[in-house]
Amino acid sequence: GAGVSQSPSNKVTEKGKDVELRCDPISGHTALYWYRQSLGQGLEFLIYFQGNSAPDKSGLPSDRFSAERTGGSVSTLTIQRTQQEDSAVYLCASSLGAGHQEGSPLHFGNGTRLTVT
Amino acid sequence: TQLLEQSPQFLSIQEGENLTVYCNSSSVFSSLQWYRQEPGEGPVLLVTVVTGGEVKKLKRLTFQFGDARKDSSLHITAAQPGDTGLYLCAGATLRGTYKYIFGTGTRLKVLA
Repeated sequence: GAGVSQSPSNKVTEKGKDVELRCDPISGHTALYWYRQSLGQGLEFLIYFQGNSAPDKSGLPSDRFSAERTGGSVSTLTIQRTQQEDSAVYLCASSLGAGHQEGSPLHFGNGTRLTVT
Repeated sequence: TQLLEQSPQFLSIQEGENLTVYCNSSSVFSSLQWYRQEPGEGPVLLVTVVTGGEVKKLKRLTFQFGDARKDSSLHITAAQPGDTGLYLCAGATLRGTYKYIFGTGTRLKVLA
């Protein structure tokens, strides 16, 4: 497809289980971002990739959160030993990235709604 | 920690009214963007402002970037029910990492 694709769209898991969230960015976009959004509020920055490297992972809430990107394309956000406070919508975005026009737009997927019971 | 505070947090108005949403920070940004988000979807870009003092118009929406590049405003003239949604500002940091910090959001509801 032409847009950013995220899967699954919804995920319900039990407390303590691990989850993996996937993001397929727009082809050719070198920058990829993960954000977390709670209850229709603002977006909380988690991590940013330029290519396969993560220059800024300062937003990851704890060491239970990790992310990787392979082939400069698909990214996976992994949450280990999930807690109820991890419940939120996890949004992925991609953009043309460094070297391109200042303010290149972020193109968002529709998110993964994670519910930890 | 860089923060972008938006005000008001919630706004419910009648069709035809005007409104202004504010986005403020103590940090300087290289550029600032405004997004609108509808339920179940990701945010969609409305506009990017780059130069301090810049004003951009998009139909009934007017966006302004503060002279010091620390704040911005969004003004909607003659609001319509189709303007209903969550409005988010996002600032790009100066460190060249293209990291965008999002504001706290303004939820707008326009009543017919």
